Amino acid sequence: SQKIEQNSEALNIQEGKTATLTCNYTNYSPAYLQWYRQDPGRGPVFLLLIRENEKEKRKERLKVTFDTTLKQSLFHITASQPADSATYLCALRELGGNKLVFGAGTILRVKS
Amino acid sequence: KAGVTQTPRYLIKTRGQQVTLSCSPISGHRSVSWYQQTPGQGLQFLFEYFSETQRNKGNFPGRFSGRQFSNSRSEMNVSTLELGDSALYLCASSLGLATVVGNEQYFGPGTRLTVT
Repeated sequence: SQKIEQNSEALNIQEGKTATLTCNYTNYSPAYLQWYRQDPGRGPVFLLLIRENEKEKRKERLKVTFDTTLKQSLFHITASQPADSATYLCALRELGGNKLVFGAGTILRVKS
Repeated sequence: KAGVTQTPRYLIKTRGQQVTLSCSPISGHRSVSWYQQTPGQGLQFLFEYFSETQRNKGNFPGRFSGRQFSNSRSEMNVSTLELGDSALYLCASSLGLATVVGNEQYFGPGTRLTVT
């Protein structure tokens, strides 16, 4: 069956360290993959998109990688800050597909 | 520029009733997508409208429907409400087609629907 898996347990890290979040997928051939941030009581906020033919994308302190062999995307936040604490969601659209499928999300807590 | 607005923010309905939710996209955005978010199933895609036409649809029963008006505002309707329809309903707008192209989507704050 098809599934998208993100770390089910919260990730707790110290301020200033790099946070690395994982998104693994099974039985999908993604056309692209997106990462979102969601704060409690609010809608998700789009962060980055990476397409099937791209290996890495960067935006300020954010970096996303895409490994179609491992069927995995990694999302990195460098020099993390307490304000980065939130739930991070990955989502993908399959090649030829017509809907965006989301993972369950990973809670990130950055402690000062 | 004003963000995506959704009304109402909170709603309580009884099983069997129907409900209509409204979404006003960011000015100039032509695509509106709807999502359902629950603790058990997470965020699930309902459908996407672009230029008043439904372009993409998720795996939800026909009780879930929507429409888009010429000013890009969109409504979502759920008929014959069930307890399992209790969720946060989010809409998102984008300049162009979001699902197929991957255009950046801007989400609204959501409508919290409780079915009793």
